[in-house]
Amino acid sequence: DQQVKQNSPSLSVQEGRISILNCDYTNSMFDYFLWYKKYPAEGPTFLISISSIKDKNEDGRFTVFLNKSAKHLSLHIVPSQPGDSAVYFCAASEKETSGSRLTFGEGTQLTVNP
Amino acid sequence: ETGVTQTPRHLVMGMTNKKSLKCEQHLGHNAMYWYKQSAKKPLELMFVYSLEERVENNSVPSRFSPECPNSSHLFLHLHTLQPEDSALYLCASSPQTGIFSSYTFGSGTRLTVV
Repeated sequence: DQQVKQNSPSLSVQEGRISILNCDYTNSMFDYFLWYKKYPAEGPTFLISISSIKDKNEDGRFTVFLNKSAKHLSLHIVPSQPGDSAVYFCAASEKETSGSRLTFGEGTQLTVNP
Repeated sequence: ETGVTQTPRHLVMGMTNKKSLKCEQHLGHNAMYWYKQSAKKPLELMFVYSLEERVENNSVPSRFSPECPNSSHLFLHLHTLQPEDSALYLCASSPQTGIFSSYTFGSGTRLTVV
């Protein structure tokens, strides 16, 4: 039973346009969500997070939106740059405290074309 | 380099071999993790160590045996593996368990079982 799903294995966008990566979850106990970015031959790195008390969190070109009623979150990258080409993982947890565990999605390969 | 170093980067082993994966961090983190990433699947948590004590074994077969001799080193001993164990094995560390935004991953060991 996969509790975090990224239904799009890949996404291709033009440089300068918006990239929208989607993530759905089934566990209503999740209340902390993160996005990680992974380049080939490197480990994932933390990108941005959001707590369930918010519906939006912004950090520069990256914005994460959370729709709790739909159990859906999305990552917006605008404007997209070729250096953003990577695999993006969505992850969720019941809380960000000791003892909690992360549940990851399968990842979405983003390709930004010059 | 992220501060978490994994060796070797690639490993090919036969089903009757014994090998070990190594992870080293000098970030002063107290928690260390092993994750498995199979093709087109989410990252799966295998083991969690906190202050050198194993705090979670996520239903992992006994052919995988972790060892954490000190807070800077984590090993994954492999014995009698199956071809379906071929995957990317990622080590991560964090200041303490549950602080996901500070997870630091290594680059992983790409394991192929033949």
